[in-house]
Amino acid sequence: RKEVEQDPGPFNVPEGATVAFNCTYSNSASQSFFWYRQDCRKEPKLLMSVYSSGNEDGRFTAQLNRASQYISLLIRDSKLSDSATYLCVVPMIKAAGNKLTFGGGTRVLVKP
Amino acid sequence: GAGVSQSPSNKVTEKGKDVELRCDPISGHTALYWYRQRLGQGLEFLIYFQGNSAPDKSGLPSDRFSAERTGESVSTLTIQRTQQEDSAVYLCASSTTGTGINNEQFFGPGTRLTVL
Repeated sequence: RKEVEQDPGPFNVPEGATVAFNCTYSNSASQSFFWYRQDCRKEPKLLMSVYSSGNEDGRFTAQLNRASQYISLLIRDSKLSDSATYLCVVPMIKAAGNKLTFGGGTRVLVKP
Repeated sequence: GAGVSQSPSNKVTEKGKDVELRCDPISGHTALYWYRQRLGQGLEFLIYFQGNSAPDKSGLPSDRFSAERTGESVSTLTIQRTQQEDSAVYLCASSTTGTGINNEQFFGPGTRLTVL
C-alpha cells in the first residue's frame, strides 16, 4: 500500500457545484496534514493545513478521520479558477527534519 | 521578499551528459528539499537538507543522482550520465525550521529537464 493515496480523477464539476475527494494514508502516527494546489505547469502552493479534526477556509473545508486514516477536501460553490490538481501531503515528523510525502494528486476540472 | 528560485528554468541535454541544477532557497530557511515530477504524475521525494544534519538521501533513484548544499544557502542537484527517463520537472522547496507540524514548504518554479 502506498503511504499516501489519492483518486487521480479527473473530477468534472459544474460551476457552482460542490465537489469532495479523499486522501488515504498508511502511517497511523501522522499528526498533521496539508492540501497543496498545483496549477498546470506551475509549482505546488499550500492551500490548507489540517491539524485536528478539520479546517475551514471560505469555500474550502478539510476534514480528518483518524480512525479510517483519511483526509478529505470539499469545495463548495466551485469556480472555474478552482480547476487544478490537489495534492494531499503527509509529513513524516523526524528529529532531523520534516519529510513531506505527497499523494499523486486529484485533478479537478470546473466547467461552465 | 524573494521566493525560492531555480536555474535553469529549462534544460535540454543529450543522453549520457551530466547536468547540474541549482536552487536558491528563501533566506533564513534551514530546510531544503528536492523533488522530481514526471509528466502527469505526482511529486517524488529525492533528498532533503536540514541545517548541518546529514541529508536524507533516501529518495535518490540511483547513484547517478547527487546533491550538495553549502551551509543554509544554495543547493545543487547533479545528474550524471543522464538517461531519457530522467526527463522531468525538478522542484526545489524550502521551509523554516524543518521540524514541527506547521512549517509550510515554499516551492521554486522548477527546472524542466529534457533528455534527448
